[in-house]
Amino acid sequence: KQEVTQIPAALSVPEGENLVLNCSFTDSAIYNLQWFRQDPGKGLTSLLLIQSSQREQTSGRLNASLDKSSGRSTLYIAASQPGDSATYLCAVTTNKLIFGTGTLLAVQP
Amino acid sequence: DVKVTQSSRYLVKRTGEKVFLECVQDMDHENMFWYRQDPGLGLRLIYFSYDVKMKEKGDIPEGYSVSREKKERFSLILESASTNQTSMYLCASSPATSGMWDEQYFGPGTRLTVT
Repeated sequence: KQEVTQIPAALSVPEGENLVLNCSFTDSAIYNLQWFRQDPGKGLTSLLLIQSSQREQTSGRLNASLDKSSGRSTLYIAASQPGDSATYLCAVTTNKLIFGTGTLLAVQP
Repeated sequence: DVKVTQSSRYLVKRTGEKVFLECVQDMDHENMFWYRQDPGLGLRLIYFSYDVKMKEKGDIPEGYSVSREKKERFSLILESASTNQTSMYLCASSPATSGMWDEQYFGPGTRLTVT
């Protein structure tokens, strides 16, 4: 059974710091991996999708990497801003979408 | 912009009541989904639908049913609400042109409390 884990559960950093969020999954048989952002009172917004054949994807200050063989992905956020404060979820696609429990990020001004 | 709306942001119901959660999407998406989100458990799939009147069970369908009479609307029904169904419920939709699970657009969620 595929399990997706995100560590840490919560993270607080000062503004301007570069940071890394981690996601691990137990079964490497995935089609792709996505990173989502969730703001309070709002739904999830997809940030990046990495196909299983890819190693990384970039969007602005965000860079996501995927190491399928080791079952790991990281989301790198450069020069963090208070507006980056949110919960970040990773999810893998097998025959459905399986989510991790998320990392709550707080960027302090 | 794709818009997925859910009928209520907050809902309080009593144990045993029949509860309807409504979800509407305005982008003519074929696929629609219902998830619940609980602390420490993440999002879990309750039901999904790939066409009008078609439905498939997800991981935790017990205690729930769904209805999809029109393409844009997907309803989640709690036949007899129980306290363990207190949760955040999220609806999503995706187009048939992409992988069903890839391009999901989420609604804002309904926080349901069953007392």
